[in-house]
Amino acid sequence: DAKTTQPNSMESNEEEPVHLPCNHSTISGTDYIHWYRQLPSQGPEYVIHGLTSNVNNRMASLAIAEDRKSSTLILHRATLRDAAVYYCILVQGGSEKLVFGKGTKLTVNP
Amino acid sequence: DTAVSQTPKYLVTQMGNDKSIKCEQNLGHDTMYWYKQDSKKFLKIMFSYNNKELIINETVPNRFSPKSPDKAHLNLHINSLELGDSAVYFCASSERFFSGSPTDTQYFGPGTRLTVL
Repeated sequence: DAKTTQPNSMESNEEEPVHLPCNHSTISGTDYIHWYRQLPSQGPEYVIHGLTSNVNNRMASLAIAEDRKSSTLILHRATLRDAAVYYCILVQGGSEKLVFGKGTKLTVNP
Repeated sequence: DTAVSQTPKYLVTQMGNDKSIKCEQNLGHDTMYWYKQDSKKFLKIMFSYNNKELIINETVPNRFSPKSPDKAHLNLHINSLELGDSAVYFCASSERFFSGSPTDTQYFGPGTRLTVL
């Protein structure tokens, strides 16, 4: 299973941008980068995914390095509701499953 | 409308008992999954069914048996419960068998917290 490395925890203030990094130096050409988050006492929820180009959706933006060995999930204005564990996951074409790592626990301060 | 629902939300039982957790999705998805999240918060896949057929079976004790009566339901039966089975169990679904599309996403249920005493 392809591996990702994320900081264990990060803190942010409400209404400020948050940049959550993820390293995936062993990424292969067909791996997609997916982000999920898990709010307290809830199941994980999909956030965003990308392959090579930067991606935007209503929840967040995903910035992918040119060599694809790292990516950054960007929350443009953090809210208290964004406090969660964020998981960066590589999904291989032909893979059968999501492999969750430890993720980054994001704390948002009011 | 809840996309992926699980019952019960909490389950407290004695060691040695047999219990079931039910999962239903109303998204019309073909594939459903069971995950286990242990006390250290690691989330690991246990099983996956595609159109009622088992496609993933991780290294899980055979006391755990998934059953899919139709593609909208995937239930998890656990026999002879042990203390180590205490965890939160999540059901999930995706539109297609995941390997068919690495862009596909999974939708998770709210979880069932199982406590074995």
